[in-house]
Amino acid sequence: DVLMTQTPVSLPVSLGGQVSISCRSSQSLVHSDGNTYLHWYLQKPGQSPQLLIYRVSNRFSGVPDRFSGSGSGTDFTLKISRVEPEDLGVYYCLQSTHFPLTFGSGTKLEIK
Amino acid sequence: QVTLKESGPGMLQPSKTLSLTCSFSGFSLSTSGMVVSWIRQPSGKSLEWLAAIDWDGDKYYNPSLKSRLTVSKDTSNTQVFLKITSVDTADTATYYCARSLPHNNWFDYWGQGVMVTVSS
Repeated sequence: DVLMTQTPVSLPVSLGGQVSISCRSSQSLVHSDGNTYLHWYLQKPGQSPQLLIYRVSNRFSGVPDRFSGSGSGTDFTLKISRVEPEDLGVYYCLQSTHFPLTFGSGTKLEIK
Repeated sequence: QVTLKESGPGMLQPSKTLSLTCSFSGFSLSTSGMVVSWIRQPSGKSLEWLAAIDWDGDKYYNPSLKSRLTVSKDTSNTQVFLKITSVDTADTATYYCARSLPHNNWFDYWGQGVMVTVSS
């Protein structure tokens, strides 16, 4: 299985600040069709995960442009600018290039 | 709007079979390419993809659990089911179902999850 390693585990942030979360895969996530299937989710406390970014850099419907994704191959980053209270929770990356689909271990965004 | 909702027994004993139901609306599993998956999350831990079924009835299983999993759907294409045999305490988790649109192998909508505890 593809191992997805997220860093840091915990990320203290001041409201209004900017943060980056890293997700690294044990294999390249470039699919044979040329696409890279790396996605980002936010799980707010007591809720189910919600899709933020799909295929590295595409924001899902309704996701503010404060969220941006980048990366290629095995190295990916989620950036959050102007952090708001509603952004707090655990962020997960998901790869769906290789079977079985695997998630990262999560990064908890919390108030400093 | 798209909604999914999981239901299950809440608690069951080790060695029993866990049966879960995902009821959904706002889309049809008869639409070509549509997929519904099951994912679980032990308390305080990350997420694990378990199984999926597509519009055509094709089934996909995580190899690590394949021998214990059965995914199915109803004929009206409004419910998906998951059975896990021979459960033990390691199967204690919140179980989610989630949708994937045709040609999109990621999950755009998730259910609220159902908590399952395996205990004697």
